[in-house]
Amino acid sequence: DTGVSQDPRHKITKRGQNVTFRCDPISEHNRLYWYRQTLGQGPEFLTYFQNEAQLEKSRLLSDRFSAERPKGSFSTLEIQRTEQGDSAMYLCASSFQKNTEAFFGQGTRLTVV
Amino acid sequence: QKEVEQNSGPLSVPEGAIASLNCTYSDRGSQSFFWYRQYSGKSPELIMSIYSNGDKEDGRFTAQLNKASQYVSLLIRDSQPSDSATYLCAGGGYGGSQGNLIFGKGTKLSVKP
Repeated sequence: DTGVSQDPRHKITKRGQNVTFRCDPISEHNRLYWYRQTLGQGPEFLTYFQNEAQLEKSRLLSDRFSAERPKGSFSTLEIQRTEQGDSAMYLCASSFQKNTEAFFGQGTRLTVV
Repeated sequence: QKEVEQNSGPLSVPEGAIASLNCTYSDRGSQSFFWYRQYSGKSPELIMSIYSNGDKEDGRFTAQLNKASQYVSLLIRDSQPSDSATYLCAGGGYGGSQGNLIFGKGTKLSVKP
C-alpha cells in the first residue's frame, strides 16, 4: 500500500459549480478525516468517519459541504455552489483507530474563480 | 473551544544547532499529540507521536510532553537546511467518541547554512 491517495490533485472551478473530491485511505485504516487548509493556517477539521459512520462534523461547516464513505473504504467530499472563499487545500488523512497516528494524502488544491 | 497554540515564528537557527519548537493545548482531555512537518505547497508529514509524559526520541528528533503544564515540544538536533519547513503540532483523543485532531497554526523553521 502506497499511502493515502487523493484525486484530483488540482481543481479549478467557476463560482457556483459543484465539485467532488475522492480519498482512498490506507487499506487497513478504519478512520478517515477531512481537513481544509488555507495559506498560513493549520489544517482545519471538517469531518471524520469510523468505517462508514460519519461520527463528527465541524459546526463551522456550511450545509454546502457533504461527505460520504459508503462502504467504509474510499470517501468523497462534495462542495455545492462553490464560493471564492472555498479556495483552499483539502486534505484527507486516515488512521488505524482513535488516538493513533494519522497519515495525510497529497491534498486537493481547489481554486474557485 | 479546544485550541492548540504555537508561535508562528519564523524561528531561525544556524545549521548544526538545536531547534526548539513549542506548543500548548487548552483541553486536559487530550490524550495524544503529534508533530507534523509541512514543506511549502505539500501536505503534512508525520514525524513524531507522543502519548505519555516525558521524552520520546527518534533519530535527531525528541518530543516532550508535560500534561500537567499542557505543553508539548519538539527538539531537532543537528539542524539541517532540509529541516526548513513549517512544523504543525496536533492534539487528539478528546473525550467520548471524539477523535479528530486539532492543529495549531504551525511554526515556520528556517535553518541557515
